[in-house]
Amino acid sequence: QVQLKETGPDLVQLTQTLSITCTVSGFSLTTYNVHWVRQPPGKGLEWMGAMWNGGGTDYNSAFKSRLSISRDTSKSQVFLKMNSLQTDDTAKYFCASSYYYDGTPVWWGQGVMVTVSS
Amino acid sequence: DIQMTQSPSSLSASLGDRVTITCRASQDIGNYLTWFQQKPGKSPRRMIYGATNLEDGVPSRFSGSRSGSDYSLTISSLESEDVADYHCLQSIQYPHTFGAGTKLELK
Repeated sequence: QVQLKETGPDLVQLTQTLSITCTVSGFSLTTYNVHWVRQPPGKGLEWMGAMWNGGGTDYNSAFKSRLSISRDTSKSQVFLKMNSLQTDDTAKYFCASSYYYDGTPVWWGQGVMVTVSS
Repeated sequence: DIQMTQSPSSLSASLGDRVTITCRASQDIGNYLTWFQQKPGKSPRRMIYGATNLEDGVPSRFSGSRSGSDYSLTISSLESEDVADYHCLQSIQYPHTFGAGTKLELK
């Protein structure tokens, strides 16, 4: 059974760095891809980037160089790190996984709501 | 970036109605179009992939179609459990981009 769970802070201070961990079970990170998607309160979804099963990454250029995605396959964890947080980064952050051959997420974590506070 | 223009932004329909939501792509995306359903407070659920393929377990009243650069999600006969937000996603080009979403409510 594929499962994903995000863990991270509820609150981050303005200009600080956000770190979220996605812990997966039921599959290997070397066979499935993991995506990061966020959703500001009351708004739509935004694709942030992905860690591909082969270890490569792709990012949404909207985040410029603020965003980094990495993984530890031995711990079945994928990490999101984003710096220079602003108030409009307040959102629920989801990790989600897709088949290795497919770019669209099938399984989703419950998400973690992060508020950026000034 | 490819823009996905989703319409309508909100929709009120009665039980048993036929409902259609559309996404228009700003560039050719082939059939790299996915539809998600998201109920309040929940994570998205993939409903249709490859523009027309129904995900396992999704009721057959849901269907996806394509006409040129317009992609549609249709519910043939609306049920109360279908009340949700619906999102489209293109995955042919990075960054993958979502439509703005459609809120479907009961009239």
